[in-house]
Amino acid sequence: DTGVSQDPRHKITKRGQNVTFRCDPISEHNRLYWYRQTLGQGPEFLTYFQNEAQLEKSRLLSDRFSAERPKGSFSTLEIQRTEQGDSAMYLCASSGGRTGGYNEQFFGPGTRLTVL
Amino acid sequence: GQQLNQSPQSMFIQEGEDVSMNCTSSSIFNTWLWYKQDPGEGPVLLIALYKAGELTSNGRLTAQFGITRKDSFLNISASIPSDVGIYFCAGPPSGNTPLVFGKGTRLSVIA
Repeated sequence: DTGVSQDPRHKITKRGQNVTFRCDPISEHNRLYWYRQTLGQGPEFLTYFQNEAQLEKSRLLSDRFSAERPKGSFSTLEIQRTEQGDSAMYLCASSGGRTGGYNEQFFGPGTRLTVL
Repeated sequence: GQQLNQSPQSMFIQEGEDVSMNCTSSSIFNTWLWYKQDPGEGPVLLIALYKAGELTSNGRLTAQFGITRKDSFLNISASIPSDVGIYFCAGPPSGNTPLVFGKGTRLSVIA
């Protein structure tokens, strides 16, 4: 397995536009997480799925954000009506396979969002 | 919410020197994780710790799970230029929940 992949790696958009990011987890992992990271900070949890079920959303996930994992494999994170404060690195992670438990989360390379 | 405090925030060391950094929490953690992040990339898992007092190595890296379960330590021996990056500690506040991260220790290695 090649690990967690994310697409696109970079996205520049104008304020008010909608953007969608994709994450493909490690294939044997049933948990998938989205985190956001701003400069000088560690990643902050946004939401996570176990298979196709969205189990938890943080207070950071405003109603402009929506995430899906329709078939329990890849996931998408959509941000509607983007604001400049949404500029950040969006990280996806997965866990929960034969190797390691749920806590050992493996991250993708991230999508860097810049809102102008 | 839960916060993990990492120190130092940054450090500059000479190549070949040993490095120590730590992470503390105001509450008990049952798992401690250490990640390294290079610029523009996602964090890479280095070491996972599951038992108080546990000492685990990964090459030149050694991490310890503090006996109070409120802290963890990471040591790097004989640093090399590719050790440059940001080191994060992380853990689940309870059970198998999403991770909380510290703010990181930025390591610079001078050749």
